[in-house]
Amino acid sequence: DTAVSQTPKYLVTQMGNDKSIKCEQNLGHDTMYWYKQDSKKFLKIMFSYNNKELIINETVPNRFSPKSPDKAHLNLHINSLELGDSAVYFCASSQEVDTYEQYFGPGTRLTVT
Amino acid sequence: KNEVEQSPQNLTAQEGEFITINCSYSVGISALHWLQQHPGGGIVSLFMLSSGKKKHGRLIATINIQEKHSSLHITASHPRDSAVYICAPTQGGSEKLVFGKGTKLTVNP
Repeated sequence: DTAVSQTPKYLVTQMGNDKSIKCEQNLGHDTMYWYKQDSKKFLKIMFSYNNKELIINETVPNRFSPKSPDKAHLNLHINSLELGDSAVYFCASSQEVDTYEQYFGPGTRLTVT
Repeated sequence: KNEVEQSPQNLTAQEGEFITINCSYSVGISALHWLQQHPGGGIVSLFMLSSGKKKHGRLIATINIQEKHSSLHITASHPRDSAVYICAPTQGGSEKLVFGKGTKLTVNP
């Protein structure tokens, strides 16, 4: 059973479209995260949710909106996609915030044309 | 200056060699993670430590909080260890991971 899963694995879309990436974890963790890995392979946190509440919100354009319907799911909605949004997006989860190991999903490669 | 500096950026070794990857950080931290990103892109957490030393198989991670430095060692390296290794301290206060740029390790047979 996959611990942290993301769908889709690949997403190709045109500028201006709205898209969503879904993330689910079956580890019973309370905290989930979204990270972005740019073309230079540099990882950066975007959002973190703990018990469905937003606790970290980095300086991400408000076109990006995370939604956590329950503790096991954290979806990422992106409106009005831009070329610069092309990246690999990783979801992760941990038991709680702070000093707990994080488990990563396989990543979603988003390509905006 | 980046908050997290890793060295070297690239490392090529022969199978069996002892590998050391270094990480220095400037932020106050509550813990530090070492991650491995496979050539296929998947990310695996290797260690999370806040003091001292941890060992898992051929991998050893150490941290010196006073010196703001951590090292990842691989003993008897193998071609399957070829990957990018990323140091990621958890920034104290904000509890967010801050990532180094990674060290690309290639182990040749």
